[in-house]
Amino acid sequence: QAVLTQPSSLSASPGASATLTCALRSGINVGTYRIYWYQQKSGRPPHYVLNYKSDSDEQKGSGVPSRFSGSKDTSANAGILVISGLQSEDEADYYCMIWHNDAYVFGGGTKLTVL
Amino acid sequence: QVQLVQSGAEVKKPGASVKVSCKTSGYSFADLDINWVRQAPGLGLEWMGWMRPGNGNTGYAEKFQGRFSMTRDTSISTAYMELSSLGSEDTAVYYCTRGVEQGTDYWGQGTLVTVSS
Repeated sequence: QAVLTQPSSLSASPGASATLTCALRSGINVGTYRIYWYQQKSGRPPHYVLNYKSDSDEQKGSGVPSRFSGSKDTSANAGILVISGLQSEDEADYYCMIWHNDAYVFGGGTKLTVL
Repeated sequence: QVQLVQSGAEVKKPGASVKVSCKTSGYSFADLDINWVRQAPGLGLEWMGWMRPGNGNTGYAEKFQGRFSMTRDTSISTAYMELSSLGSEDTAVYYCTRGVEQGTDYWGQGTLVTVSS
């Protein structure tokens, strides 16, 4: 079982909200991790969106709109990235990442389609 | 502003080695890690290793230990990665990215390495 699991795709309408999930493998407690999120548009390098540890410990990347926010779902043992007021420019691949056992681990990525 | 600028695309034959550079600016190069991440065509991101430029300490993903090395030249704020014994499976875009608290923030533009006979 992969350390981080993301849905391969997600579709949402312009103006709506999209909730991207990043599930941690059973036995790895989401509460103890700082979760990083990256946005990657086609043919471009990943762009740092934000990292989230707790409600009082979240940092956003430079220029990232307030429409992007992080959270955790402890019952699902997952990190969450919420994008509200979806715009066509939000269409991209989104990756989560944690530092685990002395290595960075990425999720497989979610392709977000805005249609 | 923080910038990481990588060297240009490379084409290598199987069994060869490749060296990619990552020139940084806009911050204190010695103080923050440089990580290397690769992305094979159409696939996801794969972390390869980290280096602390200030003291040269490194950490490698288990998969790459033995044929992957990271070095730096602090006088020009540049980090390097070298991957040896290349195979077709190493065809990928290689990125450098600056390390921050338990993660990374700024990324280089990427360097395409193509391994082909």
